[in-house]
Amino acid sequence: DVKVTQSSRYLVKRTGEKVFLECVQDMDHENMFWYRQDPGLGLRLIYFSYDVKMKEKGDIPEGYSVSREKKERFSLILESASTNQTSMYLCASSLSPGIYYEQYFGPGTRLTVT
Amino acid sequence: KNEVEQSPQNLTAQEGEFITINCSYSVGISALHWLQQHPGGGIVSLFMLSSGKKKHGRLIATINIQEKHSSLHITASHPRDSAVYICAVKLTYGQNFVFGPGTRLSVLP
Repeated sequence: DVKVTQSSRYLVKRTGEKVFLECVQDMDHENMFWYRQDPGLGLRLIYFSYDVKMKEKGDIPEGYSVSREKKERFSLILESASTNQTSMYLCASSLSPGIYYEQYFGPGTRLTVT
Repeated sequence: KNEVEQSPQNLTAQEGEFITINCSYSVGISALHWLQQHPGGGIVSLFMLSSGKKKHGRLIATINIQEKHSSLHITASHPRDSAVYICAVKLTYGQNFVFGPGTRLSVLP
């Protein structure tokens, strides 16, 4: 079974702090994704990566950056956390290329910025 | 207008009822993904389909590409089916998925 793990289930940070969210997958997937999920808005794509050191902006990249130095690890960085970044953050991975690939999700990190 | 819409937004059913959740989309897609999210956050893949129908246990998913519509059916519903069901479409071009807002299902014993 594919396993996607995230470094923390719950995180509380202060406004202005630099925050690192880590995601690791164990199935040699090329694609990795970071989403945030807010009530009534569904999942929104922040960034994705289709290869090591490659990244693409998603729908809401402002205030975030990412790093992918190794194939199995994809990090999301909040350079200066703000209260409007309080959310559930979900990481996912999938095979590429091909149309018939599923996304496998991590358990999520619920981040609160105070 | 959202690219992916789901109905209903919320659904309460009695145990044993037949349930249908609908997903409609307005973009060109290559595949559609049904996902289940339980309280606590974890998301599990249910189906990935690009045509026709798929069945897994009590779950059935159908898609009509011409009408840009998919349905997820649950037969003989059970309280453990209570979750948020999310429809996501893979765009024809690119690696991205676009997600619907989810349907919150509660099945009462």
